[in-house]
Amino acid sequence: SQTIHQWPATLVQPVGSPLSLECTVEGTSNPNLYWYRQAAGRGLQLLFYSVGIGQISSEVPQNLSASRPQDRQFILSSKKLLLSDSGFYLCAWNGGTYEQYFGPGTRLTVT
Amino acid sequence: QKEVEQDPGPLSVPEGAIVSLNCTYSNSAFQYFMWYRQYSRKGPELLMYTYSSGNKEDGRFTAQVDKSSKYISLFIRDSQPSDSATYLCAPRRNTDKLIFGTGTRLQVFP
Repeated sequence: SQTIHQWPATLVQPVGSPLSLECTVEGTSNPNLYWYRQAAGRGLQLLFYSVGIGQISSEVPQNLSASRPQDRQFILSSKKLLLSDSGFYLCAWNGGTYEQYFGPGTRLTVT
Repeated sequence: QKEVEQDPGPLSVPEGAIVSLNCTYSNSAFQYFMWYRQYSRKGPELLMYTYSSGNKEDGRFTAQVDKSSKYISLFIRDSQPSDSATYLCAPRRNTDKLIFGTGTRLQVFP
């Protein structure tokens, strides 16, 4: 069966520091991968999605970036965090069907 | 106008009640309608989805879509305290992108 992992689970970072969040999927190949952010009291905002290695589409202009160095690995990065980057970051995948499956999430607090 | 709107709640009901959770949407091109359940501080989990108009039942859960009025519903029968969570509707076109509502927080008290 397929499993999606995210780490770290929680992170507290100062403003201006770099960020790297990692997502990996097991049990499938060539998945579509997604990064979402969920701010307090708000819905899920799609940040990036990828249909293959090195292929990244950005949905919202911001100081975040994403990379897909391997088929089942998706990384979310920032060079300098802003206070507004705080939130719950979720990675999701689908394998060509209509459903998307989410990871456990990373809770980021920028101080 | 937002593409998907949900009443944020909280909706508080006694155990055993029938719960109705609703979404409205504006894009008539949506064809698939997902419902996710999200427990506090966890990732959303897919409950069920329907295609086009009609009903779909899975255990105590029934999803209903009325495309003519752009209205989506999720009914929970015999609600349990374990159903207490935030419920997110997410319609999509015939592409990969889901459009999420903000979610309705449900509380089922014993």
